[in-house]
Amino acid sequence: EVQLLESGGGLVQPGGSLRLSCAASGFRFSSYAMSWVRQAPGKGLEWVSSVTGSGGYTYYADSVKGRFAISRDNSKNTLYLQMNSLRAEDTAVYYCAKCDDYVWGSYRFSYWGQGTLVTVSS
Amino acid sequence: QSALTQPASVSGSPGQSITISCTGTSSDVGSYNLLSWYQQHPGKAPKLMIYEVGERPSGVSNRFSGSKSGNTASLTISGLQAEDEADYYCCSYAGSSTVVFGGGTKLTVL
Repeated sequence: EVQLLESGGGLVQPGGSLRLSCAASGFRFSSYAMSWVRQAPGKGLEWVSSVTGSGGYTYYADSVKGRFAISRDNSKNTLYLQMNSLRAEDTAVYYCAKCDDYVWGSYRFSYWGQGTLVTVSS
Repeated sequence: QSALTQPASVSGSPGQSITISCTGTSSDVGSYNLLSWYQQHPGKAPKLMIYEVGERPSGVSNRFSGSKSGNTASLTISGLQAEDEADYYCCSYAGSSTVVFGGGTKLTVL
């Protein structure tokens, strides 16, 4: 059974940093691209970032490019999202999602974690 | 990357069929068949219901079907059931290794 467990969310001041983690189990982690998708309170879904199975290629939405960094440690079956220069508009539940292929070419999210809430406020 | 356009809400009675539209542009929906649909119940994580316009993942009821014409994709749910009440989101490849979601549609089962 595929399981994705996010952690690391919390309250952070504008301009601050936070690192999210997603522990994966139930599948061969290194064989699949992984993504982060967020959802602001009461709003819709927004794709944030994706990384290939090897971690060698990363992709970002324009709204976070240059501020966020996605990475993975395949030896630990863990996905990360380093978030810097946080803004109020980054406040959201951040979901970790498994993609359906190795290279981020299916452009779909087949399994999702339960999410972790990030609140950016002074 | 502008969000795809979905109706804010749709409703139907048990047993009926409903269709949710998802309108994009020739740069996203109109150019690729990489269109997926997600179901989200309140307080829960989204679930993949349809991928590549009309394909169903294993375990998803065949009451759910998808189609596309031009820049507009559609999700049809037949034989509506109370458990289908949820938010639904479409998602399309938008070029340059990016994807864009729709604004979401709240389905109410009357």
